[in-house]
Amino acid sequence: DADVTQTPRNRITKTGKRIMLECSQTKGHDRMYWYRQDPGLGLRLIYYSFDVKDINKGEISDGYSVSRQAQAKFSLSLESAIPNQTALYFCATSDPWALPGELFFGEGSRLTVL
Amino acid sequence: QKEVEQNSGPLSVPEGAIASLNCTYSDRGSQSFFWYRQYSGKSPELIMFIYSNGDKEDGRFTAQLNKASQYVSLLIRDSQPSDSATYLCADTGAGSYQLTFGKGTKLSVIP
Repeated sequence: DADVTQTPRNRITKTGKRIMLECSQTKGHDRMYWYRQDPGLGLRLIYYSFDVKDINKGEISDGYSVSRQAQAKFSLSLESAIPNQTALYFCATSDPWALPGELFFGEGSRLTVL
Repeated sequence: QKEVEQNSGPLSVPEGAIASLNCTYSDRGSQSFFWYRQYSGKSPELIMFIYSNGDKEDGRFTAQLNKASQYVSLLIRDSQPSDSATYLCADTGAGSYQLTFGKGTKLSVIP
């Protein structure tokens, strides 16, 4: 089983719908991240959390919200999905006591908003 | 706004050749630099990191850093078809916990 698990792996939805992407990890890492990847734009940080009570906005947080339900769980929500949120979404974790910048990524969630 | 720039490619090299991937960064205070490899349809994985000016070697991979020129590179010696992937350069910036990624360079190694 993957150390960082994302669900769903693929989702097609319609404009205006609420969508939640879930991430769970068994690595025991305190830090969790949500990234978005678009062709030609690379990986961009949406939100990150350094522990259960810590939530921080990243580069492109507008239109998104997150919830850190437990050390192992970090969910990303799109309250009212729009077509330009169509992208590949990655959850990642890191260990604050290990190499800074070493991220462990989930397998990705491909979201299509029609 | 911090930027990490990479040539998007595609970069094509014959099997056995040296592949050279380049990256420039805008934040002069950046201290740490990372190379991630992403196979098509897969998630990124860290393959190299470098903090100090000069070269760092790990097997067939060599990372090079020149802070004065704000330039990072990754050399892959004896390139193999299995090296075909997109390579992402990233830095943490000065006093930052956040990674800023470049857009990636797609490498194709031709048998």
